[in-house]
Amino acid sequence: GQQLNQSPQSMFIQEGEDVSMNCTSSSIFNTWLWYKQEPGEGPVLLIALYKAGELTSNGRLTAQFGITRKDSFLNISASIPSDVGIYFCAGGGGSNYKLTFGKGTLLTVNP
Amino acid sequence: DVKVTQSSRYLVKRTGEKVFLECVQDMDHENMFWYRQDPGLGLRLIYFSYDVKMKEKGDIPEGYSVSREKKERFSLILESASTNQTSMYLCASSLPGLAEDTQYFGPGTRLTVL
Repeated sequence: GQQLNQSPQSMFIQEGEDVSMNCTSSSIFNTWLWYKQEPGEGPVLLIALYKAGELTSNGRLTAQFGITRKDSFLNISASIPSDVGIYFCAGGGGSNYKLTFGKGTLLTVNP
Repeated sequence: DVKVTQSSRYLVKRTGEKVFLECVQDMDHENMFWYRQDPGLGLRLIYFSYDVKMKEKGDIPEGYSVSREKKERFSLILESASTNQTSMYLCASSLPGLAEDTQYFGPGTRLTVL
């Protein structure tokens, strides 16, 4: 089946630093989604990408849908302590509405 | 804003009990999903539904069933709970059409089976 490789698995950064994480796949997706999950909570949608090459921002977050449709990255600029959490990528586009999820990137921000 | 709610945040049940997890969405979404999330295994799809009374098995349906009698409500049923069903259960919903892959999640139910 389809698999997403998300990297890095974890990151420890200082407040104010920029962060970059990415997802790659051997399969093509029509949709790339990025979610954030805080401890004990459900994933919250951050950015949705629907077109190859698309670059979308949401505040300090920027994500891009790779031109090959097999990858996507998420950047966080000027990180703050509340950015702490697990960030998931997800690829979609099959006929059965299912998503394929990455395993997540655990982000820790030191104040 | 899309709102997906789950009936309980925390639940403790005993082995062999029948367990109902309820999920309600208020955005008239056609599609609804149940996942479980476990450390190291990520999110795994249990069942999904693309219309009232319609359901399809996901990747790990064994030991679970679902019910969708109304569009806004999707229930996950553990017929006879077992300790290996201790997990975080997440419900999600999505619209049909261009954004049909964009799923919105509820807050999760942390189920412990003793």
